[in-house]
Amino acid sequence: DIEMTQSPSSLSLSVGDSVTISCRASQDISYYLAWFQQRPGKAPKSLIYAASYLQSGVPSNFSGSGSGTDFTLTITSLQPEDFATYYCQQYNTYPLSFGGGTKVEIK
Amino acid sequence: EVQLVESGGVVVQPGGSLRLSCAASGFTFEDYAMHWVRQGPGKGLEWVSVITWDAVRYYADSVKGRFTISRDNSKKSLYLQMNSLRPEDTAFYYCARGNDLDYWGQGTLVTVSS
Repeated sequence: DIEMTQSPSSLSLSVGDSVTISCRASQDISYYLAWFQQRPGKAPKSLIYAASYLQSGVPSNFSGSGSGTDFTLTITSLQPEDFATYYCQQYNTYPLSFGGGTKVEIK
Repeated sequence: EVQLVESGGVVVQPGGSLRLSCAASGFTFEDYAMHWVRQGPGKGLEWVSVITWDAVRYYADSVKGRFTISRDNSKKSLYLQMNSLRPEDTAFYYCARGNDLDYWGQGTLVTVSS
């Protein structure tokens, strides 16, 4: 099974800051990597698929990069609605697997 | 508009059974793999099971032998039969579309407690 490791697990930032979240796969997953945003009490929302492609309607201050085993999610100019928990997920192989999550909090 | 609506979550005793449903609309249901993902209280996301467009099934080790995923393409519905429930199965259960999980339902809460 493929293990996904996210870092950091949490961070405190201010509106307008930028953030980079890392996700590492335990084996090569090519570009089969997705990122999700989850606000408290809500279902996860897809942000990025195939490592770098934005889902329709996702603001352009979100971007993803990477391939193989190392991936990043970058959010520039954090807005109040961007403070949430972010998860990466691999879909190269069943069983699918998620990273442990990164909570982005307001400082 | 793609919509996924889960139902069936209740409070159930340990050892009990439950069937969750997910009603899909706004897309060609039979063309997609469909997944169940759960989230325990205060925890991260855990993949549970998938049924592919051609009805191949896979399960997480934590539910294998206890849960069964199925689909009815004529009703555009996904199901999860949950048997031998344990307290650690307590979670919100979400259905999601496709292997990249591009659309999610709102979730249904399953509580396993005596």
